[in-house]
Amino acid sequence: AQTVTQSQPEMSVQEAETVTLSCTYDTSESDYYLFWYKQPPSRQMILVIRQEAYKQQNATENRFSVNFQKAAKSFSLKISDSQLGDAAMYFCAYRRLRANSGGSNYKLTFGKGTLLTVNP
Amino acid sequence: NAGVTQTPKFQVLKTGQSMTLQCAQDMNHNSMYWYRQDPGMGLRLIYYSASEGTTDKGEVPNGYNVSRLNKREFSLRLESAAPSQTSVYFCASSELAAGGNTQYFGPGTRLTVL
Repeated sequence: AQTVTQSQPEMSVQEAETVTLSCTYDTSESDYYLFWYKQPPSRQMILVIRQEAYKQQNATENRFSVNFQKAAKSFSLKISDSQLGDAAMYFCAYRRLRANSGGSNYKLTFGKGTLLTVNP
Repeated sequence: NAGVTQTPKFQVLKTGQSMTLQCAQDMNHNSMYWYRQDPGMGLRLIYYSASEGTTDKGEVPNGYNVSRLNKREFSLRLESAAPSQTSVYFCASSELAAGGNTQYFGPGTRLTVL
């Protein structure tokens, strides 16, 4: 079974600085997708960025970028120029690519989250 | 564009009561999902519907039933609520159920079972 581990329950960063959130995962699959979701106090789950495992190039979305190390099964999120609105719980998630019987193909497997505080 | 909407936002039940959580999406997505989020944990899949007319169990289906009413709507029913079902429930949708399709989430329903 796939597992996702976020080893940092809490992180803090000064406004305008850079912070990196860690995520590791365990899978025997070679093709899969990885996601970072943000959950602000409103509880809404918002997609931040996604990475296809077959792509070597790291995904980037404005101030958000990832460092995807497939061999190490590591998928960290870097937030540059942190803003107060970035304060939230961040979840790393995994989803397999190929179909199989039962429901496991369709679920996102989430880590337990990292609570990010942004200090003014 | 509302995206994924859920009702109600909050609910308190007594043990043994029943209720239905409603979910609707306006993105013309084929696939819909129900997750639960417990304190200190990520989301876990309860049930999903890969396409209209189909539903299947996820990781934690016991104590729940679902109905894919039409392409837009996917409801989750608790027939006899238990305190262990106290959680935040999220509905999500995606264009397809395939791995790369992004899932879009609703705002969640906070359910307390006394």
